[in-house]
Amino acid sequence: QAVLTQPSSLSASPGTSASLTCTLRSGINVGTCRIYWYQQKPGSPPQYLLGYKSDSDKQQGSGVPSRFSGSKDASANAGILLISGLQAEDEADYYCMIWHSSAWVFGGGTKLTVL
Amino acid sequence: EVQLLESGGGLVQPGGSLRLSCAASGFTFSTYAMSWVRQAPGKGLEWVSGISGSGTSYYADSVKGRFTISRDNSKNTLYLQMNSLRAEDTAVYYCAKFEGYCSGGNCENWYFDFWGRGTLVTVSS
Repeated sequence: QAVLTQPSSLSASPGTSASLTCTLRSGINVGTCRIYWYQQKPGSPPQYLLGYKSDSDKQQGSGVPSRFSGSKDASANAGILLISGLQAEDEADYYCMIWHSSAWVFGGGTKLTVL
Repeated sequence: EVQLLESGGGLVQPGGSLRLSCAASGFTFSTYAMSWVRQAPGKGLEWVSGISGSGTSYYADSVKGRFTISRDNSKNTLYLQMNSLRAEDTAVYYCAKFEGYCSGGNCENWYFDFWGRGTLVTVSS
């Protein structure tokens, strides 16, 4: 079982909100993890969006709009990237990442389509 | 402005070697940890290796014993020496700058805040 599991794809309409999940493997407690999120558009390197551990311990990437935010769902053992007010330019691949067992581990990525 | 420029990629036969370089500018290179992250064609991201400003190195299990990360702070350059290359090492290799800190072996506050555009390594006969 992968350390981090992300849905392979998600579609949403412009102006609405999209909730991208990153589920941690059983035995890894999301409450103790800092989860980072990256956006990657075709042909470009990833860009840092934000890091989230709790509402009082989070950081937004430089220049990243506030409509990108992080949270957790403890009942699902998952981190969440919420994108509000979706725009066409938000169409991209999104990756979550954590530090686990002395390594940086990425989820498989979610392809977000805005249509 | 932070700039990271990778070079050294190319086509290499299985079992061969290659050295990647990453020229950094726009920040005080010696004070930041750096890393290599790769992405196989059409696939997701995979962390490969990291190095602190003082030279402490970290490796993914998949490359341990085959790859060596190093840095030359006088040249503002990061390197990745790749030996015993395999087909599964085929990927775009990104150089990435760390932000944050690592304390007492807990590096959860280290993250990649800036990435280069990458260099393609193809391992094939």
